[in-house]
Amino acid sequence: GAVVSQHPSRVICKSGTSVKIECRSLDFQATTMFWYRQFPKKSLMLMATSNEGSKATYEQGVEKDKFLINHASLTLSTLTVTSAHPEDSSFYICSASSPWPSYNEQFFGPGTRLTVL
Amino acid sequence: GQQLNQSPQSMFIQEGEDVSMNCTSSSIFNTWLWYKQDPGEGPVLLIALYKAGELTSNGRLTAQFGITRKDSFLNISASIPSDVGIYFCAGQLTTSGSRLTFGEGTQLTVNP
Repeated sequence: GAVVSQHPSRVICKSGTSVKIECRSLDFQATTMFWYRQFPKKSLMLMATSNEGSKATYEQGVEKDKFLINHASLTLSTLTVTSAHPEDSSFYICSASSPWPSYNEQFFGPGTRLTVL
Repeated sequence: GQQLNQSPQSMFIQEGEDVSMNCTSSSIFNTWLWYKQDPGEGPVLLIALYKAGELTSNGRLTAQFGITRKDSFLNISASIPSDVGIYFCAGQLTTSGSRLTFGEGTQLTVNP
């Protein structure tokens, strides 16, 4: 099956610093990638959708300047949390979608645990 | 926007028991999906349903796409300890591309 990786799996940073999370589709080309945020015991909340080579589309209430998304290639999208604060601590999950191998199916990464001190 | 109501929120069962959970929506979907998420991991797809009325099985799992296209259920038969986790339903509309709307999740605990 299609494999999506995320790096790092865990990151701890100081308040005010920026953190970059990578999402890679390992064995297929992802035309669309999604970024989710998940709080403990809660569901996945879609933050933004990014298409390769285009600007990301952010969900209502998600700050574009706070959560910078880049989808520069068909196998890599990055989420940068700028000037992180403790309230940004969360589990961030990406997913990737493509007409192939399975049309419209989203393949999820293993997630990145961000802790801001 | 679309909302999915998933129930129950949590279940505590004995090993060997059957489990049922369901999702209802305020509007229709073209595709219903069921995922399982283990602690600290991303969701893993269990079953995908593409047609109203469709009943699909995957081992001990059975899911159905409601006739009205506004609901779906997931059954797990003869539960085992490794079934522990959070189960999410998700709906997808082809007009929204591959965008998913997730339910709130059902936390399943299986006691040996």
